[in-house]
Amino acid sequence: DAGVTQSPTHLIKTRGQQVTLRCSPISGHKSVSWYQQVLGQGPQFIFQYYEKEERGRGNFPDRFSARQFPNYSSELNVNALLLGDSALYLCASSPQGLHYEQYFGPGTRLTVT
Amino acid sequence: KNQVEQSPQSLIILEGKNCTLQCNYTVSPFSNLRWYKQDTGRGPVSLTIMTFSENTKSNGRYTATLDADTKQSSLHITASQLSDSASYICVVTPNDYKLSFGAGTTVTVRA
Repeated sequence: DAGVTQSPTHLIKTRGQQVTLRCSPISGHKSVSWYQQVLGQGPQFIFQYYEKEERGRGNFPDRFSARQFPNYSSELNVNALLLGDSALYLCASSPQGLHYEQYFGPGTRLTVT
Repeated sequence: KNQVEQSPQSLIILEGKNCTLQCNYTVSPFSNLRWYKQDTGRGPVSLTIMTFSENTKSNGRYTATLDADTKQSSLHITASQLSDSASYICVVTPNDYKLSFGAGTTVTVRA
């Protein structure tokens, strides 16, 4: 069975641009969470979605938004990119909520120049 | 201030030796504490998960301990292998389920 997949693997954007990252959860998992991991630090929680509804939000500005689709895949959007948004963006899926085991994808490496 | 602090920040050990990583947390109350292994440029992979009532949990050569009174956890790696070179992250799940991650300990195993 396939694990969590994310696309693209890498991308480079310019300050002020917008970016969309995609995540496909493990089959049967209904919860998707997004995390930002700056180099040398642990991941920071951004969003959790369960059954297409937002169930949790971390301390991130409104430039960050996400949604979950009927097939439980998810997109993370970041508007008006800043240099500080450069990071590894991780997606994790779980059968239900965050209290279940989280299975992480390989991440998307975003570089903002 | 981060609610999960890990030490040391990094360490180097020889293949075959043991090592212990520390995690101190202030998150309370919490649902569970997890240890993840993260290879460079990859997503974290779960090693152990313990509820607040558990004291120890093993996964092969990895053994995690938890002292909920002192709010400390440790991860012991036995007979290290080159493939153990990675970052090890302590994660605490508070009751609101917004996971709190430590910054990780980078372990380098040398032959």
